[in-house]
Order: sequence, then structure tokens, then C-alpha cells
Amino acid sequence: AQSVSQHNHHVILSEAASLELGCNYSYGGTVNLFWYVQYPGQHLQLLLKYFSGDPLVKGIKGFEAEFIKSKFSFNLRKPSVQWSDTAEYFCAVNAPNNDMRFGAGTRLTVKP
Amino acid sequence: GAVVSQHPSWVICKSGTSVKIECRSLDFQATTMFWYRQFPKQSLMLMATSNEGSKATYEQGVEKDKFLINHASLTLSTLTVTSAHPEDSSFYICSASGLAQLSYEQYFGPGTRLTVT
Repeated sequence: AQSVSQHNHHVILSEAASLELGCNYSYGGTVNLFWYVQYPGQHLQLLLKYFSGDPLVKGIKGFEAEFIKSKFSFNLRKPSVQWSDTAEYFCAVNAPNNDMRFGAGTRLTVKP
Repeated sequence: GAVVSQHPSWVICKSGTSVKIECRSLDFQATTMFWYRQFPKQSLMLMATSNEGSKATYEQGVEKDKFLINHASLTLSTLTVTSAHPEDSSFYICSASGLAQLSYEQYFGPGTRLTVT
């Protein structure tokens, strides 16, 4: 069964620091990859997604992610975080059977 | 576009009673709807997948007789928690995808917080 691993449970950064959150998945076939963000008290919002094509995907709010097929990874990056980026970030993988599996989530705290 | 709503946003019920949660796709036809459960500070766990007009497919460990899912139309799915117990207290989130959307993209509702006393 496919699984998704997010290695960082809680990341604490100062404003303007660079961010990289790791995501690895175990499914060997063709997958679609997503990063979602959940701000405190709010529902899930899509940050970015990868279906095919350019493995470097740009999303909203300055986030980007790179799909590295050989490493089964889809890490999320942002060059300079802001206090407003404090949230929970979830990586998700969706196989062609349409089941979506989420990673455990990474809590990002950005100190002003 | 692609808005999903849930009702109610929060509900408190007594142990032993049943609670129905609605999930609606407001501006698209959702051929598939998903129900997730999220415990505090944890990730989303898929409970079941339902296709319009078909019986829901439940994940391993999810009691189908306890969590009744109905997807009677292309815009509405309901989750009924029957004979609720305090351990059923959780945040329930639905998502929807449809033929008109990009493949496999799911749109999430705002969630329903259930508290069973």
C-alpha cells in the first residue's frame, strides 16, 4: 500500500529564513502529488500540485516543490518565510485509483 | 470555483444518538466524494470513498455500520455517525472530485467538528 512520509514533525524558523519540508512516498507507479496547508482554525487549502511535466512546480504564496522521481520525493520549499506562513503542511499522494494518502503533517512555526 | 461546503460546522451530541453531516459541492458535479477523519494535531485519515449512486468503499478498520455514507446525488454526500460514543469525537472532513476537474484533484470542505458527550 502506498504511504507518505514527512520527516519533519515540527519546524521552527525565523522570518526570512529559507524553508524546505521533506516528503517521500512509497508508491512505485504513476502518482499525482500535492502539498496542502492548514492555517490555524481553517480548512485545507491546496498550495501546489504535480501531475506531469516540469518537475519543479510553483504554487501560491511563493511556495514551490520539486518532484524527484528517482528519490520518490516531493519536497516543499520557500526561499523566505513569513510569520503568516505558520501553519500545518501536509504532503499527499494520489494514485490512479483516486485514493489520496496524506503524510503525518509538518507544523511550521515562524517567529517574527 | 470548486467549492465544497459542509454542514454543520460543529455539533455536540449525547452518547448513543446519531449525527448526520452533509457535504455539498456547490459549483461542480462531484462524481466521487471522500470522507476523512482528523484527530487533533494529526493527519487526515481516509475513512471511505463514495461514488455517486454506488455503495461507499470503506478503509480497513472503519466500521461501515457505524459510519453510514450516502452519495445520492452528484452534489451531496452524507456521513451519519450512528450510536455515537465519545471516542467518535473528531474533526470530519469531506472532499470531492469530479469529471470536470483536473484528474484526481480533490477539493476539501471546511470540516465538521463532532463532540460526543
